[in-house]
Amino acid sequence: GENVGLHLPTLSVQEGDNSIINCAYSNSASDYFIWYKQESGKGPQFIIDIRSNMDKRQGQRVTVLLNKTVKHLSLQIAATQPGDSAVYFCAENRSSGTYKYIFGTGTRLKVLA
Amino acid sequence: DSGVTQTPKHLITATGQRVTLRCSPRSGDLSVYWYQQSLDQGLQFLIQYYNGEERAKGNILERFSAQQFPDLHSELNLSSLELGDSALYFCASSPTTGENTEAFFGQGTRLTVV
Repeated sequence: GENVGLHLPTLSVQEGDNSIINCAYSNSASDYFIWYKQESGKGPQFIIDIRSNMDKRQGQRVTVLLNKTVKHLSLQIAATQPGDSAVYFCAENRSSGTYKYIFGTGTRLKVLA
Repeated sequence: DSGVTQTPKHLITATGQRVTLRCSPRSGDLSVYWYQQSLDQGLQFLIQYYNGEERAKGNILERFSAQQFPDLHSELNLSSLELGDSALYFCASSPTTGENTEAFFGQGTRLTVV
């Protein structure tokens, strides 16, 4: 089913380095994608979004890349900082007559000082 | 602060009991979504309401139900609680039905069933 429970993959990155977090989505009909950041004990927080008519979108220190051919999203964080330590989720906005946000399993980012 | 308010923040209850979780969406948002997050797992979509009407259903158990009231706040009712229902329950809201817009999440209600 959706969001099968799995042990969270972890990405450890040295402070100041760039981070790349990957996500595979499942439905080729999804046309809107969002990256969320979730810090411990808090709700998911919007980072950046991208529509399916785009391949790339940049924000402040973050870039999202979308490859519709292989149904893959990535989030790049430049000059990773300790405050970036969190769990990152991608979400696809899937329409099947209604819209809802389907989340991937998440990646834990650990920033090493 | 996302503007979405959830109460209570923490809830401890016994198996077999019933609880109600409350969510106030951002001002002006018409859609409310409920998600369940078990320890170290992703967010499981439960249900969506739009302007008082059920819009989409996910992996919501029959023991769970929700509603959205005329003032747009929403409640998630969990009954005959089991140990496995212990989780973080998040509410999110969006301005429209969800098309091409992000959802804003509350801080969650941590439910512990003992």
